[in-house]
Amino acid sequence: LAKTTQPISMDSYEGQEVNITCSHNNIATNDYITWYQQFPSQGPRFIIQGYKTKVTNEVASLFIPADRKSSTLSLPRVSLSDTAVYYCLVVPQGPWGGATNKLIFGTGTLLAVQP
Amino acid sequence: EPEVTQTPSHQVTQMGQEVILRCVPISNHLYFYWYRQILGQKVEFLVSFYNNEISEKSEIFDDQFSVERPDGSNFTLKIRSTKLEDSAMYFCASTGEIWGSPLHFGNGTRLTVT
Repeated sequence: LAKTTQPISMDSYEGQEVNITCSHNNIATNDYITWYQQFPSQGPRFIIQGYKTKVTNEVASLFIPADRKSSTLSLPRVSLSDTAVYYCLVVPQGPWGGATNKLIFGTGTLLAVQP
Repeated sequence: EPEVTQTPSHQVTQMGQEVILRCVPISNHLYFYWYRQILGQKVEFLVSFYNNEISEKSEIFDDQFSVERPDGSNFTLKIRSTKLEDSAMYFCASTGEIWGSPLHFGNGTRLTVT
């Protein structure tokens, strides 16, 4: 499984756009990039997933460059309730190379949004 | 939106006791998981379950742990003889497809072993 690296923490203010970048230099051809969010004392919650270019949903956008060695989660106009840990994961899309479907979580990025 | 539910939300037990953590996955999901998170640490994979058998388990999931789907709706994690180091949040998750579909997590059971 490709290892991911993301900042340990980020600070922001309400109303700002927040971009969290994740590097995954060893991503495999069949891997997707997936982001989860976790609030204190709650389970992780799926935010967005993509393979390449840009994906947008009602919560966030995900930008993936052509080489796919990094990705950026963009949260528009954050509010206090967006304070959480954000996890970037590389997820195989099939059992190629012995891959399994379990998720491997890193330490994530703690986003602190202030008023 | 359907969700994964876990009970109890908090369980306190004494060392050496058996505990059963319960989960009701989303009804049409076929793949089930348990994860745990020790306070301040990463979310760790414990076990995956499909078609009434374990698909994969981690090194953490030793002989003290077992999982069961006793009926069509519940999915349980049993710890036979709890240790202090089993204190953690335990999360159940489910998904409808093995590949490409996100996992839906419950809000966890906080297990405290004294």
